[in-house]
Amino acid sequence: QKEVEQDPGPLSVPEGAIVSLNCTYSNSAFQYFMWYRQYSRKGPELLMYTYSSGNKEDGRFTAQVDKSSKYISLFIRDSQPSDSATYLCAFFYGNNRLAFGKGNQVVVIP
Amino acid sequence: DTAVSQTPKYLVTQMGNDKSIKCEQNLGHDTMYWYKQDSKKFLKIMFSYNNKELIINETVPNRFSPKSPDKAHLNLHINSLELGDSAVYFCASSQAPSGYNEQFFGPGTRLTVL
Repeated sequence: QKEVEQDPGPLSVPEGAIVSLNCTYSNSAFQYFMWYRQYSRKGPELLMYTYSSGNKEDGRFTAQVDKSSKYISLFIRDSQPSDSATYLCAFFYGNNRLAFGKGNQVVVIP
Repeated sequence: DTAVSQTPKYLVTQMGNDKSIKCEQNLGHDTMYWYKQDSKKFLKIMFSYNNKELIINETVPNRFSPKSPDKAHLNLHINSLELGDSAVYFCASSQAPSGYNEQFFGPGTRLTVL
């Protein structure tokens, strides 16, 4: 079983729709749970992070963690064309190590 | 002002050549990293340095050699390039090597080996 599973998509949605992205993981040593956003031909940038089960909101973005099921989600409400990017789940463990998912490409159609 | 910068942005070279990629950060961070992102967008750590000392060395061919002349710079030298080395290489930095610290990524260097 791979350490991190993320369905790579791509995912196309109309502007204003809710985007739902998921990752599952198998490593119990993962301590922090993150979502990175990567625009085309750019480096990843941290979007949100959390360390506990439950929901965390930041504007139109909600990160959800379920440690018992080893499952994390990212929801984007009222999606905008500027949200078109690849979203990577990431997990922090040990000595500043990050394990990344393969990324979901999201396209928001105006 | 760019926080984490890499040069060159694009690198096209022949198999068997040796090439270097340079990275600099002006964030005052102690820890720097090299990641490789393959054609399927899978991002995997290669190396990490803290204050010029190697602290993470994943299973990477020894044709790859990182060098940190000071804590603001981490270069990556690749010998005898192979087709499979074609990828985007990202440099990143964070404040400290232990505990959670946000990693800031550079814009990437797109390496194509012909």
